[in-house]
This record gives sequence, structure tokens and C-alpha cells, in this order.
Amino acid sequence: QSVLTQTPSASGTPGQRVTISCSGSTSNIGSNTVNWYQQVPGTAPKLLIYGNDQRPSGVPDRISGSKSGTSASLAISGLQSDDEADYYCAAWDDSLNGRVVFGGGTKLTVL
Amino acid sequence: QVTLKESGPVLVKPTETLTLTCTVSGFSLSNAGMAVSWIRQPPGKALEWLAHIFSSDDKSYSTSLKSRLTISKDTSKSQVVLTMTNMDPVDTATYYCARTSYAFWTGKGEAYYMDVWGKGTTVTVSS
Repeated sequence: QSVLTQTPSASGTPGQRVTISCSGSTSNIGSNTVNWYQQVPGTAPKLLIYGNDQRPSGVPDRISGSKSGTSASLAISGLQSDDEADYYCAAWDDSLNGRVVFGGGTKLTVL
Repeated sequence: QVTLKESGPVLVKPTETLTLTCTVSGFSLSNAGMAVSWIRQPPGKALEWLAHIFSSDDKSYSTSLKSRLTISKDTSKSQVVLTMTNMDPVDTATYYCARTSYAFWTGKGEAYYMDVWGKGTTVTVSS
């Protein structure tokens, strides 16, 4: 049972915009910034968004992140076949004394 | 170029102690504010954070695994070591290490984020 809650699956067709949500509490998302990771099956996770809405160098601007209260969202527009992957949100949790919590992951399928 | 590489046994027996090493290059374990984290992923399951160690030597552990984990670093060797005692088949997973960096924004707060990951090492626990 993950501390952060994500919908297990999402899907879209090429070119569409999809949103993946992540729900937490006041001790994690409500108090700290959120990071998002993309994991293509069989490979290591890759940082996609940090600090709620910051993109690392190399991540296209069709990918964006936001946070409101105790929830966060990852949006992918202009969906492409290579966006098919698992997506994880993560945040620090103050109730766990500086520990990191992950969501259960959302499997994105490009139809 | 920043890289991290995990190494350790592929197979361990139940009750044994697992020792994993993360060897880093392209940055120093003494860089202020930086940390190295360990994360694992059982087959078909989600990522689980295990521990991290900062350049200051501050450490934190997963609440559920704290009694079994020890993290340490050797800055001169550019290595971070994680030990996990009393291994069980449920500990079968791919274990990753990742560089954890820090950023701060006025009005928004701070962020610690795992920006560079190793490829992972798969550990199977079986007799």
C-alpha cells in the first residue's frame, strides 16, 4: 500500500492530452514539492518533473507538472507512442522524519 | 558525465545479509547538499525508497525497514554501501541507487529529487 495514491492505469491516442494524478496528505504533498519519474519497462526510472513543475534539461515542454493542496498532476500533451511507460510521483514526508514516499505508479498505454 | 553503478550478489539465501555498493562518477560524494539514495522495485511492483545519505553524513531510512538497513559512504572511493540484514524472499527486487540533488525557490520551497539513476542490480532471495 503506497503512501501516495495514483490511478493504476491511463490511456490515450497519439496526439491526445492525458493527465495522471497523485493524491497525498498534508505531511507529504501538502508540505513538500512533488517529483515525477518515468519508467519504461525493463529500464531504470528517469526524472521527468521536479519541484512540482520544473523540467530537467532534455524533457520536452509538452510534459508539465502542477500541484494543488495535497494533490499533484502530470500532464502529457501531444501523446506519442514512446510515452508508453509507468509513471511515479514522489515526495518527502514530514511525518516520516525526512523520508521519501512514492506513489503506486500509473501505467500509461498509448492506443 | 554523471553515472552511478550498482554492484552486489545476484543471489542470496534467506537470513543472509545483503551488501550492495553504488559506485559514482562525475560528481563527488562531498558536494554540499547532495545525497545518494537507494530504491528497490520487486518484480511487477512499484518503486520503494529505502534510504539516503547526504554529503554531511546525515542518513534516513525507510520506516518499515529501518531495523534491517545500514547506509554508509566512502568519499575517497566514491562509493555508497547499503546493507540489509535477514534477507527474505519478499526482498527479491531490482535495487537502484540514484543521485539526489537539491533546489530551492523563494516562495515555493525546496526540492530533493533523484536526477540520475543507476541501471539497477537484480537480487533474488532463495535457498
